[in-house]
Amino acid sequence: DTAVSQTPKYLVTQMGNDKSIKCEQNLGHDTMYWYKQDSKKFLKIMFSYNNKELIINETVPNRFSPKSPDKAHLNLHINSLELGDSAVYFCASSQPPLAAPYEQYFGPGTRLTVT
Amino acid sequence: KQEVTQIPAALSVPEGENLVLNCSFTDSAIYNLQWFRQDPGKGLTSLLLIQSSQREQTSGRLNASLDKSSGRSTLYIAASQPGDSATYLCAVRGGATNKLIFGTGTLLAVQP
Repeated sequence: DTAVSQTPKYLVTQMGNDKSIKCEQNLGHDTMYWYKQDSKKFLKIMFSYNNKELIINETVPNRFSPKSPDKAHLNLHINSLELGDSAVYFCASSQPPLAAPYEQYFGPGTRLTVT
Repeated sequence: KQEVTQIPAALSVPEGENLVLNCSFTDSAIYNLQWFRQDPGKGLTSLLLIQSSQREQTSGRLNASLDKSSGRSTLYIAASQPGDSATYLCAVRGGATNKLIFGTGTLLAVQP
C-alpha cells in the first residue's frame, strides 16, 4: 500500500514533445508538491497545492503546468520539452502548512530524459 | 534567502564507526528541519523531523539535534552499517510557508 505513487517511473522523450507525470497519495493529506532534482542531485520545489489550490509557484517556466483534480492527485504537464528539463521529478504530500507535525512524504520519483 | 549547506559532501567510514553529518542554514527563523535518506535511483525516505521548539529527536541508531540560534543541525549515526550507505539530505521549512529548502546532501559509504 504505497503512500505516494508516481507514474511513469521512467520517461524518455524527444525535444518539443508534451508529456505528463501523475501523482497520487493515499495518506489523506491536503497539500501536495512537485520537486525537481537536477543532475547534481540538488532538490528544489516547483509547485505546491493545498486542497486543490495553488499556493506555491516558484520561478518555473510556464511550459510547466500543474493540475490538481482533487486533494489526492497532483499532475504535472510539460509542454515543448527541452534538454534542460531532463531531471528526476518528485511528488510529495503533507498536512497543511499550519498543521503540526508537518512532515513531507515523497514519491519514488519520475526520471525524465529529453533527447 | 534561506540557504542550506551540508558538510561533508562525501564520507567513507568502516563498519561499526559512529559518525556525524552536519547541516547549516542561514536564516534561523525556521518551523522545522527534516532529515531524509535517498538511495541510488530511489525516492526520499524521511528519517527524523525536529520542530523548531525541540532540541533533538531520536529514532533507533539515529539522533538529530537542532540549534536554531546558530543555524545548525547534526545527524548522529551510531554503529554504522553497510545498509546505511546512501545520500543524506537535510531540509528546513522556513516561515509560514510549507516550502522545504534542501541542503546539498552528504553521500555516505559504509565499508564492510
